[in-house]
Amino acid sequence: DADVTQTPRNRITKTGKRIMLECSQTKGHDRMYWYRQDPGLGLRLIYYSFDVKDINKGEISDGYSVSRQAQAKFSLSLESAIPNQTALYFCATSAWTSGRHEQYFGPGTRLTVT
Amino acid sequence: GQSLEQPSEVTAVEGAIVQINCTYQTSGFYGLSWYQQHDGGAPTFLSYNALDGLEETGRFSSFLSRSDSYGYLLLQELQMKDSASYFCAVRDLTGRRALTFGSGTRLQVQP
Repeated sequence: DADVTQTPRNRITKTGKRIMLECSQTKGHDRMYWYRQDPGLGLRLIYYSFDVKDINKGEISDGYSVSRQAQAKFSLSLESAIPNQTALYFCATSAWTSGRHEQYFGPGTRLTVT
Repeated sequence: GQSLEQPSEVTAVEGAIVQINCTYQTSGFYGLSWYQQHDGGAPTFLSYNALDGLEETGRFSSFLSRSDSYGYLLLQELQMKDSASYFCAVRDLTGRRALTFGSGTRLQVQP
């Protein structure tokens, strides 16, 4: 089984709808992240959480919110989806004890807002 | 704020060596990472440099010069499966040491 899972894998929604993307991990990591990737661009950080009670805004948090329900679960919500939020969304985890600070990514959720 | 620059595309032939450069501007620099992403896939970690010098992992090596704010990823004995996008990322004080990614270099390996 995959260590970092994301649901749904694909989603098409309409402008103005609220949508939630979910991420779960079995790696036992304390740190979790949400990124979006647009075609031809790198990953941009939306929100990150260093533990259940520590949530921080990233580079592009406007229009998004998150919830860290447990150490293993980190959800991303679009309160009122708009077309320019169409993108590939990745969840990632890391362990603060890792000297290499490597992040482990989920398979991604492809979101289309019409 | 922080910024990273890397070439958008690189083409090389199978068996060759290719170097992908990355320059960065940031505050409170802690380290430079490299990630590989195949089309339709998730990014996967390749390497991390916190100190100056070369780190070698099999066919891949990564170099860092903190004084020049510069690093590179070196891929040797290129294989077709190395065709992918490669991202450099800095870990810095901004965002409490979360990663900031470059826009990626698309490597095309030709037979």
